[in-house]
Amino acid sequence: EVQLVESGGGLVQPGGSLRLSCAASGFTFSSYSMNWVRQAPGKGLEWVSYITSSSGAIHYADSVKGRFTISRDNAKNSLYLQLNSLRAEDTAVYYCARRAATNGYYFFDYWGQGTLVTVSS
Amino acid sequence: DIQMTQSPSSLSASVGDRVTITCRASQSISSYVNWYQHTPGKAPKLLIYAASSLQSGVPSRFSGSGSGTDFTLTISSLQPEDFATYYCQQSNSLPLTFGGGTKVEI
Repeated sequence: EVQLVESGGGLVQPGGSLRLSCAASGFTFSSYSMNWVRQAPGKGLEWVSYITSSSGAIHYADSVKGRFTISRDNAKNSLYLQLNSLRAEDTAVYYCARRAATNGYYFFDYWGQGTLVTVSS
Repeated sequence: DIQMTQSPSSLSASVGDRVTITCRASQSISSYVNWYQHTPGKAPKLLIYAASSLQSGVPSRFSGSGSGTDFTLTISSLQPEDFATYYCQQSNSLPLTFGGGTKVEI
């Protein structure tokens, strides 16, 4: 059974840092690209970042570029998101999501349950 | 960036109703649209990919259609477990973007 379990969320002051983790199991982690998606309170889903299976390509939403860093450790079946220079508008539930592909179409076929990041003084 | 506009933002329906949610892209994206169901406190769930392909394990009452800029998610007979928020998402180009969501309420 595919499982994605996020951790590392919490309360942090503006300007602070946090590192989120996503532990993957039930599939060959090193074969899949992975993503982070967030949902601010009362808002919709927002894609945050993407990393290919071998970390050869990485992309970020403009809203987090230069502040967040995505990485992965295939030996540990883990995905990470380093959050720096946090702002109040970064307050959200952060989800990790596996990217699957079929015939050139890409989609998030498995998601974790999320970890809450609250940025407040 | 490609904007995805969903309508309605919310709707009230009863068990057994037929429900249709629409999503419009700001530019043509062929069939690069996916649909997700999200219930508070749970992981989002993939329903439809490539505009009309039903994800394995998803009930057949869910269906998707459309191409280019206009897309539709239809629930043929609403069940109690279907009360949730639904999102479209484009996978044509980065940044990946979602619609604003449609909350389906009793």
